[in-house]
Amino acid sequence: GDSVTQMEGPVTLSEEAFLTINCTYTATGYPSLFWYVQYPGEGLQLLLKATKADDKGSNKGFEATYRKETTSFHLEKGSVQVSDSAVYFCAPPPGAQKLVFGQGTRLTINP
Amino acid sequence: GAGVSQTPSNKVTEKGKYVELRCDPISGHTALYWYRQSLGQGPEFLIYFQGTGAADDSGLPNDRFFAVRPEGSVSTLKIQRTERGDSAVYLCASSSKKPTMGQGPDTQYFGPGTRLTVL
Repeated sequence: GDSVTQMEGPVTLSEEAFLTINCTYTATGYPSLFWYVQYPGEGLQLLLKATKADDKGSNKGFEATYRKETTSFHLEKGSVQVSDSAVYFCAPPPGAQKLVFGQGTRLTINP
Repeated sequence: GAGVSQTPSNKVTEKGKYVELRCDPISGHTALYWYRQSLGQGPEFLIYFQGTGAADDSGLPNDRFFAVRPEGSVSTLKIQRTERGDSAVYLCASSSKKPTMGQGPDTQYFGPGTRLTVL
């Protein structure tokens, strides 16, 4: 079945550092892919998504490109801020109905 | 427009009791999902509704868990004979499109969750 493998955390960076959180998937066809973020004490929020191969999703300075050749959807940001500290979930779709979440990657940005 | 709302935000109960958790999806969203999230873990899928019917309940851990969506809008997750291991944050999400084979769900919008504590 469809699955996701996400880079394990936690990740600690200094402010303005470059961020990459790796995510690779297996899926039937080329389904939409999603990154969600969970800030401390809050619910899950959609961060960005890509609906087809070679699409780039972007939001709040974060980007992820849907690469079918490498079956990857890595999350990147050129200059992280303290406010980016959160848990990030890569969530490719399993089958057709539901999202499968891994443990997520806890990101801490130090000033 | 309002987002997904869940009530109560917190629920403390004793082992063996019955609890109901409510989810109000975004108006017009036909798909509704329940997840639970334990501390330090990602959300674990429980059940998915398309309209009034449960399209996939494969994530329900056992027969103590049951969910309904009688009018295709509000949903209630019911847990009988609660156990300490049921303690978690229960998340609800809704989306506007029916998923099709080979394509995942449309964007899911999550509620803030209900924190259930079983003493």
